[in-house]
Amino acid sequence: AQSVAQPEDQVNVAEGNPLTVKCTYSVSGNPYLFWYVQYPNRGLQFLLKYITGDNLVKGSYGFEAEFNKSQTSFHLKKPSALVSDSALYFCAVRALNSGNTPLVFGKGTRLSVIA
Amino acid sequence: DGGITQSPKYLFRKEGQNVTLSCEQNLNHDAMYWYRQDPGQGLRLIYYSQIVNDFQKGDIAEGYSVSREKKESFPLTVTSAQKNPTAFYLCARTPLTGPGDYGYTFGSGTSLTVV
Repeated sequence: AQSVAQPEDQVNVAEGNPLTVKCTYSVSGNPYLFWYVQYPNRGLQFLLKYITGDNLVKGSYGFEAEFNKSQTSFHLKKPSALVSDSALYFCAVRALNSGNTPLVFGKGTRLSVIA
Repeated sequence: DGGITQSPKYLFRKEGQNVTLSCEQNLNHDAMYWYRQDPGQGLRLIYYSQIVNDFQKGDIAEGYSVSREKKESFPLTVTSAQKNPTAFYLCARTPLTGPGDYGYTFGSGTSLTVV
């Protein structure tokens, strides 16, 4: 079975500081990993994905994520946080060769960037 | 809207009534999904469909029904059997033309409240 854990319900960071939102996963075989962002009363927006290749993936709005196979993690990072980054962030996974089974999402982490 | 439209944005239902949420996509994508979002619980899969006239139950299908009579439409009916229907409902689409590397595109969601 596939699963995703986002261990922090809330992350607070000062504007201009680096931010990290944590994600660990469990799948059989190689993972297909995503990060999405959600603003209030809106749908989820795609930030970045990892399939294969470089472990550091760059995405939208200056975000990046680092894939670590030995730790089964896919943490989201940004070097310098903005107040406008405040939102709800979701990590999602499915097995790469699972025949298009649906993505499994974590419970979300609320990021609050304080000016 | 990213080629996927959910309506209405807000919906109020009396207890004991069925209600149907609309999801339409205009990009000829094969797969469509319905997720339910509750605070602190992330996204949970209700139903999904990968081809017309076929759909599969997700993790929380009880009290819900769907149809996929045409490729562009995947309506969700919340029946009176769903005991706790108040939630935010998200529809998503994705093509199935490759290994799934497009990820999902989400609609803007429907907020359902039972009054």
